[in-house]
Amino acid sequence: AQSVTQPDIHITVSEGASLELRCNYSYGATPYLFWYVQSPGQGLQLLLKYFSGDTLVQGIKGFEAEFKRSQSSFNLRKPSVHWSDAAEYFCAVGAGNTGTASKLTFGTGTRLQVTL
Amino acid sequence: DGGITQSPKYLFRKEGQNVTLSCEQNLNHDAMYWYRQDPGQGLRLIYYSQIVNDFQKGDIAEGYSVSREKKESFPLTVTSAQKNPTAFYLCASSMGRGTGTQYFGPGTRLTVL
Repeated sequence: AQSVTQPDIHITVSEGASLELRCNYSYGATPYLFWYVQSPGQGLQLLLKYFSGDTLVQGIKGFEAEFKRSQSSFNLRKPSVHWSDAAEYFCAVGAGNTGTASKLTFGTGTRLQVTL
Repeated sequence: DGGITQSPKYLFRKEGQNVTLSCEQNLNHDAMYWYRQDPGQGLRLIYYSQIVNDFQKGDIAEGYSVSREKKESFPLTVTSAQKNPTAFYLCASSMGRGTGTQYFGPGTRLTVL
């Protein structure tokens, strides 16, 4: 069975500092990997995704993530955090379409706090 | 604009009552999903549907029911059999081909009094 671990429940960084959110997955084949962001009381917004090819993927809002197969990781990074980045971040793993549905397994999330 | 709408945003019900949450999408997506979100537990899959008139149980289907009579709509009923229904409910959809990236609605917060 597939699983996702986000080891950091809560992270605090200063505005302008760099950020790395950790994600480790367990999956038998080549995974489809996602990062989503959620503001309080809102739905999830897709930040970026990895399916194949270049292991460094760029997303929206200046985020990037690197797929490392040897470490089963897909860590999210941003070189300079803005106060508006404060939110909860979810990593997810899936198998792509099986039939016409794509079942995802989500991590428990990392809450990011940004201090001014 | 294309997207997923959920209504209402907030819902209050008395214990023992059934309640139906609405989810509509105009993205022409084949698949739709319902998740439950509780603090510290991430998202858990309740039901999903690949095509009209077909749906599958997810990891926590007990106490919930769904229907898929139209491609655009996937309502979720929280029945009185659900022992702890207070939660944030999220609906998502994805194309029926390709990578299956899921796109989410804004969510409904259900509080059972």
